[in-house]
Amino acid sequence: DAGVIQSPRHEVTEMGQEVTLRCKPISGHNSLFWYRQTMMRGLELLIYFNNNVPIDDSGMPEDRFSAKMPNASFSTLKIQPSEPRDSAVYFCASSGAIGPSYNEQFFGPGTRLTVL
Amino acid sequence: GQQVMQIPQYQHVQEGEDFTTYCNSSTTLSNIQWYKQRPGGHPVFLIQLVKSGEVKKQKRLTFQFGEAKKNSSLHITATQTTDVGTYFCAGRHSGGYQKVTFGTGTKLQVIP
Repeated sequence: DAGVIQSPRHEVTEMGQEVTLRCKPISGHNSLFWYRQTMMRGLELLIYFNNNVPIDDSGMPEDRFSAKMPNASFSTLKIQPSEPRDSAVYFCASSGAIGPSYNEQFFGPGTRLTVL
Repeated sequence: GQQVMQIPQYQHVQEGEDFTTYCNSSTTLSNIQWYKQRPGGHPVFLIQLVKSGEVKKQKRLTFQFGEAKKNSSLHITATQTTDVGTYFCAGRHSGGYQKVTFGTGTKLQVIP
């Protein structure tokens, strides 16, 4: 398995632009998580899905952030409009409900976002 | 809300010295996980503890879950330069599906 796939790996954009981050979870996993990591705030959970349904989005900073999971193999995190304070590394992670790796989260390589 | 704190925030050790990081939750946990993130990398799962008082070992790493299931520790014996990175605990609360709350992390630097 290729693991969790994220794209793009790096994104540089200007303030006010729309940014879309993409994630493909590990096949067979039923939970998907979006995290944001900064030096100041550490690793923050933004939102997570279970069986493609958003369960907890209390970590989403504000209305500029939205996330979707249209099917079991794809999720997006959108920021519109982007602001410099959104600059961070965004991680997607997935986990499965059964098997020896139950509850273990597998992280993607992350997307490093810079908003100028 | 649910908070998971770790201490220390940073630790510099001489290669060969021992290292310990402590994790404390404001509420009782169903289980606790530990992850390691190398510089420039992503968090990688190390282990999960479920039972009260549980102790697990992975070579030079010893993980412990407190009796009250509100705290945990990771101890590394005789650190090596390959141990460099940030260590996170992540606590799962009951009823939280597979959601975990990550701790603040301890950044370990090993001086050769």
